Amino acid sequence: QVQVVQSGSELKKPGASVKVSCKTSGYTFTDYAMNWVRQAPGQGLEWMGWINTNTGNPTYAQGFTGRFVFSLDTSVSTAYVQISSLKAEDTAVYYCARQSARGVLDYWGQGTLVTVSS
Amino acid sequence: DIQMTQSPSTLSASVGDRVTITCRASQSISDWLAWYQQEPGKAPKLLIYKASSLESGVPSRFSGSRSGTEFTLTISSLQPDDFATYYCQQYNDYPRTFGQGTKVEIK
Repeated sequence: QVQVVQSGSELKKPGASVKVSCKTSGYTFTDYAMNWVRQAPGQGLEWMGWINTNTGNPTYAQGFTGRFVFSLDTSVSTAYVQISSLKAEDTAVYYCARQSARGVLDYWGQGTLVTVSS
Repeated sequence: DIQMTQSPSTLSASVGDRVTITCRASQSISDWLAWYQQEPGKAPKLLIYKASSLESGVPSRFSGSRSGTEFTLTISSLQPDDFATYYCQQYNDYPRTFGQGTKVEIK
């Protein structure tokens, strides 16, 4: 069965970096794109972008360019998002979600809470 | 960017009620509209894709429809597990965009 498991919560200081992992199993990793979605505390869902797991080519939504980097390690079927120069407003739950052949997000990770606080 | 406007923001209902949530796109997205359910502290779950297709395993009390650029999610008879927040999302174009969410509360 398809599983998408993310790394655990992180507490970081402003200016630091964090790398969130999204490990998948139960399907061929390179057959499906991976999306990233952010949810700030008490807020709605915000699409961050996606990465083509076949080519490694990332696409970022406006507002997620520069400090955000999507990457892959296909040998372990894992996607990553790295956020640098962390700010308090980066505090949020970050989700990875598989993009199905139909284009929708059919399997989601459990979410990773990143807290940025001094 | 395509804007997705959901209404209402909050809805109070009782078990057994018929519930309707609306999502309007700022431009044509054909049928490329999905609905997700998010329970508190959990990841979103796909309910409906292509405006009206029910995801496998989702109860048949959930249904979706489209009229032009207006989309509707209907829960025919609200159950205790259905008290959650619902989001629409267009996947016609990039960037993908979500509605702001509709919280279904117990009346």
